[in-house]
Formats: sequence, structure tokens, C-alpha cells
Amino acid sequence: AQTVTQSQPEMSVQEAETVTLSCTYDTSESDYYLFWYKQPPSRQMILVIRQEAYKQQNATENRFSVNFQKAAKSFSLKISDSQLGDAAMYFCAYRKDSNYQLIWGAGTKLIIKP
Amino acid sequence: DAMVIQNPRYQVTQFGKPVTLSCSQTLNHNVMYWYQQKSSQAPKLLFHYYDKDFNNEADTPDNFQSRRPNTSFCFLDIRSPGLGDAAMYLCATSYQGFGETQYFGPGTRLLVL
Repeated sequence: AQTVTQSQPEMSVQEAETVTLSCTYDTSESDYYLFWYKQPPSRQMILVIRQEAYKQQNATENRFSVNFQKAAKSFSLKISDSQLGDAAMYFCAYRKDSNYQLIWGAGTKLIIKP
Repeated sequence: DAMVIQNPRYQVTQFGKPVTLSCSQTLNHNVMYWYQQKSSQAPKLLFHYYDKDFNNEADTPDNFQSRRPNTSFCFLDIRSPGLGDAAMYLCATSYQGFGETQYFGPGTRLLVL
């Protein structure tokens, strides 16, 4: 069975600095999708970034980028120039190519220090 | 803006009293999902609809039912809420393909007294 592991229950970073959230997953599939979602205290789940496993290039969205290491089954999220609005719970999720179900990590709570 | 809307945002019900949560979407997505999320935990998928085809997760209690009368609307019915059903309920949608991104509504927080 596929699993997603986020080993950092909580991380903190100084405003304007860079932070990396880790995510590892276990799968025997070759085609799948990986996602980072953000859930602020308002609780709406928002997509941060998405990566297709067949793509070698790491996905980026403005200040957010991923380091996708397929062989190592690692999918970390880097947030550059951290802002107060980045404070949230961050969930890593996996979805195999033939299924609608998202497999979620336990989440990492990100605290931004002003 | 196209979006996923959930009503109400907060719902209080009594133990054992049926309750219905609603979700609507203007994205014209054909797949709709219901998740249960308890505090500080990842969301747990209850069921999803692919068009009108209903797919129940194996561990979803029978107490939870769903209806999708048309593409835009989906309802979550909890027939006899227990204290353990107090949670945030999230609706999400996606368009067709398996790898498509799921877009979430703001959620309904259910309190059971």
C-alpha cells in the first residue's frame, strides 16, 4: 500500500527566510502525481504545487518550489522569502495514476516568526 | 470566480438528529468528493462521485450517505450523528482524469451536542 510520510510535525522560520518541508512516500507505481496543499487557520485547503512523476523538471510556483527525487521517493517543498501569510498546515499528498484517492501525509505545521 | 461552495459553514446538531451538509460548484467538474477532517489530522475520504457513479470508501460508516442530484450539487447526509462525528467536512471537486487536481471548498464544521 502507498504511504506518505511527513517527518516534521512542526517547523518554524523567520520571516523572509527560506524553509524546506520534507515528504517521502512509498509506492511501487511508476506513474503518479504528488501535491502540496496548504491549510491556513481559516481551514480552506489550497493547492500549492503539483508534480507529475513522469516529469524530470521540478515544479515551481512563484516562491514555492519542489525537489522531486523519484528514485529516493522524496518530494520536499521549499518556500523562499517566507511571509506571515505562509503560516499554515502543509500536507503532502500522493495519487496514483489509476485511482481518485489521495494518500495524505500527517501534515507539517509551519510557523512564521516576524 | 469559479469555486466550490459549502453551506452552512457551521452546523450544530443534536446527538442522533439527522443533518445534511451541502456542496455546490461552479467549476463544472464531474468528480465530487466528501472528506472528514478531525483536528490536526489529514482529511479522510468518505466517498466520491464520478458523474453519477457513487464510490464509497470501504471504511466509511453506514451512517454517512450522499446524494448528487446534478453536476453542480452534492449532499452529505449523516443519519444519526454521534459525538465522534463532530469534525470538519470538506467537499472537493476535480475534472475527469485521475491525476487532476482536487479543489476544495471552505468546509463545514459540525458540532454534535
